[in-house]
Amino acid sequence: DTAVSQTPKYLVTQMGNDKSIKCEQNLGHDTMYWYKQDSKKFLKIMFSYNNKELIINETVPNRFSPKSPDKAHLNLHINSLELGDSAVYFCASSPRVASDTQYFGPGTRLTVL
Amino acid sequence: AQSVAQPEDQVNVAEGNPLTVKCTYSVSGNPYLFWYVQYPNRGLQFLLKYITGDNLVKGSYGFEAEFNKSQTSFHLKKPSALVSDSALYFCAVRGVDSNYQLIWGAGTKLIIKP
Repeated sequence: DTAVSQTPKYLVTQMGNDKSIKCEQNLGHDTMYWYKQDSKKFLKIMFSYNNKELIINETVPNRFSPKSPDKAHLNLHINSLELGDSAVYFCASSPRVASDTQYFGPGTRLTVL
Repeated sequence: AQSVAQPEDQVNVAEGNPLTVKCTYSVSGNPYLFWYVQYPNRGLQFLLKYITGDNLVKGSYGFEAEFNKSQTSFHLKKPSALVSDSALYFCAVRGVDSNYQLIWGAGTKLIIKP
């Protein structure tokens, strides 16, 4: 009965590869998010989708492309991975776009070698 | 510009003592204020929020926070710390014109020593 789940939990890959991280929420929420947490634990919003539509797109390289096939899923695809992409990526969801409480997934630790 | 500051990278408290984790903010209009906690190798968990009403907000695990409009602060407090409270704490704020984004503080590592 996991609320927000992410796969994989760990991802180790070589520079230049393309990889995807999947996120699913079973809370019936309309809004989903992707965050990046760097090695110093800074948390930065990357994208937000509301009912499958992109509403927040921060300054993120074009190599990062979110995809929302339905409102319960928000996947993150990363092309041409770079060393600086190494971080923990968190998916989150909230009931509505203007909602306050966000529910976070367990995170995906991406290591680029 | 909207911002959140957590002035302390780390706070050390002895078990049983009261704890305070500080947060100050700058937003347009009335703020929505939040505290989240992150345990090691876990995602963030919601602790409490202030939207409107009573300035003292009570949340999970015995935590509370006080909204102080004049000082633009929202400090997190607990009367008696537990070793299990050791974690990373994030303050966040949403302003009127933030495009519904939460603006996050840098986090404060709380260490409770037995």
